[in-house]
Amino acid sequence: DVKVTQSSRYLVKRTGEKVFLECVQDMDHENMFWYRQDPGLGLRLIYFSYDVKMKEKGDIPEGYSVSREKKERFSLILESASTNQTSMYLCASRGTGTGVYEQYFGPGTRLTVT
Amino acid sequence: AQSVTQLGSHVSVSEGALVLLRCNYSSSVPPYLFWYVQYPNQGLQLLLKYTSAATLVKGINGFEAEFKKSETSFHLTKPSAHMRDAAEYFCAVSLPGDGNNRLAFGKGNQVVVIP
Repeated sequence: DVKVTQSSRYLVKRTGEKVFLECVQDMDHENMFWYRQDPGLGLRLIYFSYDVKMKEKGDIPEGYSVSREKKERFSLILESASTNQTSMYLCASRGTGTGVYEQYFGPGTRLTVT
Repeated sequence: AQSVTQLGSHVSVSEGALVLLRCNYSSSVPPYLFWYVQYPNQGLQLLLKYTSAATLVKGINGFEAEFKKSETSFHLTKPSAHMRDAAEYFCAVSLPGDGNNRLAFGKGNQVVVIP
């Protein structure tokens, strides 16, 4: 089974702190994604990566950056956390090739910025 | 850009009754379509997916969905609700031409099952 793990389930940070959210997948997937989930808004794509060191902005990249130094690991970085970044963050990965491949999700990190 | 509409943020259904969650998409070409379920404090889990092989798709836990091109819909159904079906359900769409298969998600339906 595909496994996507996230470094923390719950995280509390202060305004202005630099925050790292880590995601690791064990299926050698090329594509990895970071979403934030807010009530009534569904999932919104922050960034995705289609290969090591390659990244593209999603729909709401402002205030975030990402890093992908190894294929299995995709990090989301909040350079200076703000209260409006309090949210649930979900990581996903997906294989590529012929056929339609679904995204596999981690358990999520619930981040609170105070 | 494609979009997905799920009406009714909260849906209440009696145990044993039909579950019907509606999903409509806006795309000029038939997309790939997915339904995901999220149980409390968990990530998303795939229920089923439409890939153009068959219009009626069967998924896990007794759910199924039917793709209707003329209605641009992909509604999710289950004949008889169980208490364990209480969760949030998301419809998602991706375009065949998008090699990265980015997904656009609907806003979700929170399903409450009444005993």
